[in-house]
Amino acid sequence: GESVGLHLPTLSVQEGDNSIINCAYSNSASDYFIWYKQESGKGPQFIIDIRSNMDKRQGQRVTVLLNKTVKHLSLQIAATQPGDSAVYFCAEKGGSYIPTFGRGTSLIVHP
Amino acid sequence: GAVVSQHPSRVICKSGTSVKIECRSLDFQATTMFWYRQFPKKSLMLMATSNEGSKATYEQGVEKDKFLINHASLTLSTLTVTSAHPEDSSFYICSAGTGDDGYTFGSGTRLTVV
Repeated sequence: GESVGLHLPTLSVQEGDNSIINCAYSNSASDYFIWYKQESGKGPQFIIDIRSNMDKRQGQRVTVLLNKTVKHLSLQIAATQPGDSAVYFCAEKGGSYIPTFGRGTSLIVHP
Repeated sequence: GAVVSQHPSRVICKSGTSVKIECRSLDFQATTMFWYRQFPKKSLMLMATSNEGSKATYEQGVEKDKFLINHASLTLSTLTVTSAHPEDSSFYICSAGTGDDGYTFGSGTRLTVV
């Protein structure tokens, strides 16, 4: 997949700022999208998901936006905290049963 | 919620030996589990799809004889790294489908081959 072997881009923010992490997906047939958070040395954890019949979904301090026209997904984190520092992955799932992961973004929150 | 337990979390082995990693779904049945490999600062690379009661499906470039996968029950899949070498050192992660489009990941296994 496209994510194999690629270095992770990094987003640095100050504590309290809002963070926006972007993801471009490749399969126009994908109908389910998931954001995961991975802390160092741990497995990915589910953050929020969205189906293709929606363009926005909100959780606690997080919002996912889906733009199917340009195949773009974003994760917005409000009032970013040091504990939000991690790698964030988007995943898409369509006709194939297997989810496909984006290459991830490393979020660094400075106190 | 669905919990996937992965064991061991860390393992150090000598070059040439084999290492088995277990992935268990604790409170649900998983007919399909996935095994990933992750290098530092890189994304997850799907290695294989483990299907209960049948042979695993390996991704292109992944050696079947090197990475043996067994999914003998609906709650357990194992990955055995055979004749391990230092280049096999990596972070291995499993995940299981929870049946509602969702996927839950294990906590990962850090393998170091010396």
